[in-house]
Amino acid sequence: DTAVSQTPKYLVTQMGNDKSIKCEQNLGHDTMYWYKQDSKKFLKIMFSYNNKELIINETVPNRFSPKSPDKAHLNLHINSLELGDSAVYFCASSQEGWLGARGYTFGSGTRLTVV
Amino acid sequence: SQQGEEDPQALSIQEGENATMNCSYKTSINNLQWYRQNSGRGLVHLILIRSNEREKHSGRLRVTLDTSKKSSSLLITASRAADTASYFCATARPTGNKLTFGGGTRVLVKP
Repeated sequence: DTAVSQTPKYLVTQMGNDKSIKCEQNLGHDTMYWYKQDSKKFLKIMFSYNNKELIINETVPNRFSPKSPDKAHLNLHINSLELGDSAVYFCASSQEGWLGARGYTFGSGTRLTVV
Repeated sequence: SQQGEEDPQALSIQEGENATMNCSYKTSINNLQWYRQNSGRGLVHLILIRSNEREKHSGRLRVTLDTSKKSSSLLITASRAADTASYFCATARPTGNKLTFGGGTRVLVKP
């Protein structure tokens, strides 16, 4: 009955590889997000989708490509991974858009390590 | 740059004491939210306060908002070891389509 689930939880890969992270929410929320948390715990928004439509692309390199096949899923594909991509990536969802009147619900995160 | 900045960056208290942390932001907001993150876990929404509200309570949590000073505070009363976590404030502007997080306050509650 996990509300926002991400897979995988851990991802270790070599530079130059391509990888994907999957996210699904069963809350019926209309908006989904990808956030990146760096080693100093700063959280920065990367993308947001509302009902499968891209709303925000926050100056993220185009090696990152989100895909939302339906409003319950938001996947993140990363091409040509670089060392600086190492971070924890969080998927989140909210009802009533970015204002999140009842708050955002976060997944448990995917720790990506690029070696 | 981060919209919200928490102060202090770290806080260590004894169980039973109160913990207070502050958040300052730079632009007008629609609402301000507080989240908790336990080590290695995702963020959990604690409380949301709208720009026209001054104070909200939820259990042992008390949040205040002063829009004239562009600041908010989170008070955890009668802290427990289980309250050990990082606490983040986040602001939602009237426009902009995003929730922006501060750098967090790390709280350690010693038993």
